[in-house]
Amino acid sequence: IQLTQSPSSLSASVGDRVTITCRASEVMSSYFAWYQQKPGKAPKLLIYGVSTLESGVPSRFSGSGSGTHFTLTISGLQPEDFATYYCQQMNIYPPITFGQGTRLEIK
Amino acid sequence: EVQLVESGGGLVQPGGSLRLSCEASGFMFSRYSINWVRQAPGKGLEWISYISDTSRTIYYADSVKGRFTISRDNAKNSVFLQMTRLRAEDTAVYFCARDPDDPHKRVFDLWGQGTLVAVSS
Repeated sequence: IQLTQSPSSLSASVGDRVTITCRASEVMSSYFAWYQQKPGKAPKLLIYGVSTLESGVPSRFSGSGSGTHFTLTISGLQPEDFATYYCQQMNIYPPITFGQGTRLEIK
Repeated sequence: EVQLVESGGGLVQPGGSLRLSCEASGFMFSRYSINWVRQAPGKGLEWISYISDTSRTIYYADSVKGRFTISRDNAKNSVFLQMTRLRAEDTAVYFCARDPDDPHKRVFDLWGQGTLVAVSS
C-alpha cells in the first residue's frame, strides 16, 4: 500500500487550523496512525486507529477518515506544533508503510 | 522509566557488517513486538523489519531482505539487527519502535532515540 500525503509542506501561523491529508492506494480499515517528528528527535505517536488520541497528546489534534482518505487536523496551532507529520498504515503488511511526510512551518 | 535505547551504530565501509541493539526498560518487553525503522539524511521514515513477541513471526522490507537479520532475547530485554553487505544507501538513523500488537492498538507507541549508521569508504 502506498500512502501519499498532501501537502508536502505547509506554512501557517500560531492559532491557525490546519489539515493534512493522506491518501492510500487501497481501501484500508482501522490501523492508521499519525506521528509528529521534530528535527533530531524520534517520531512521536499522536493518533492511532484513525481517530484515537494517544494518551498525553493535546486535544487540538484530531484524526478522521475512511476508505482511502484520511486526515489529521490541528485546531489552534501552537509554537511547539511546527514539525514534520507522517501518516502510517498497518492494515496490510509487510510492508508497513509511511507517507512521505508533511513539513509544517511557521508563516 | 519506560524507554528503548539503541546502540551499535557507526561508520562502516561498503560491504561491511554492523550489529545494532535495542534495549528496553520499564515495561514487560516480552509482551511486545518490535520494529526497526530507518531515516536517511533529510528523508522520510522507512520501515525495515518486524519481530513478534515470541520471535515466531519476522518480516523484512524488500530493501533489506537477505542482508539484514532481526532477532531478540527476551531474557535480556533486547532486540538486535544484524546488518551485512551494507551499501551507501543504508546510511540512516535507525530507530527501534514498540508495537503493542493488540487488535485495539496496532501502532508504534514507543520509539528509541535512534542510532546513526554511515556507510562510506
